Amino acid sequence: DAKTTQPPSMDCAEGRAANLPCNHSTISGNEYVYWYRQIHSQGPQYIIHGLKNNETNEMASLIITEDRKSSTLILPHATLRDTAVYYCIVRLNFGNEKLTFGTGTRLTIIP
Amino acid sequence: SAVISQKPSRDICQRGTSLTIQCQVDSQVTMMFWYRQQPGQSLTLIATANQGSEATYESGFVIDKFPISRPNLTFSTLTVSNMSPEDSSIYLCSAGRTGWNEQFFGPGTRLTVL
Repeated sequence: DAKTTQPPSMDCAEGRAANLPCNHSTISGNEYVYWYRQIHSQGPQYIIHGLKNNETNEMASLIITEDRKSSTLILPHATLRDTAVYYCIVRLNFGNEKLTFGTGTRLTIIP
Repeated sequence: SAVISQKPSRDICQRGTSLTIQCQVDSQVTMMFWYRQQPGQSLTLIATANQGSEATYESGFVIDKFPISRPNLTFSTLTVSNMSPEDSSIYLCSAGRTGWNEQFFGPGTRLTVL
């Protein structure tokens, strides 16, 4: 799996959009970008994934650059419950593939 | 989707003993994985639990220390053997299936070794 680079921590004001960047310059053509988050004392939770097009679901939006070397996860209206560690992972798009976690970004939502 | 439960949720053990952690999935899955999360750290994959065959271990993890069973498509166990304080961690299982986009994780087992 390709490696990813994320800032170790970020703060965001409640109600604002949280933009979490991820660099994955060695991503290969058939690898997807996945985002998971881990709220304190819980197991990781899937958020969103994409290959090259921008994606949106009920939780977040994923913006992938045209060269696919970086991406941004956007939480449009952050709430206190979004405080968590966010992991950007690149992997093949098979449900039975293992996940390799990097260090992630600790996002703190400030009231 | 899948709901994953783990037992026990936490335990405090004496060094030199062993603990077996159970992972139960509410639906049949192709793959099950075991991760370790040391205090303040990210998740590290221990092994892939293969149904009907020996588990596949990641570098740095061995079967004698972390024996794994996977008797069917919904259940797996991880044993932490001959424990030392360095084994104090959260142990998480996850499950995936061909055709699913995501893996689902259990809530974790918090292990403290004295």
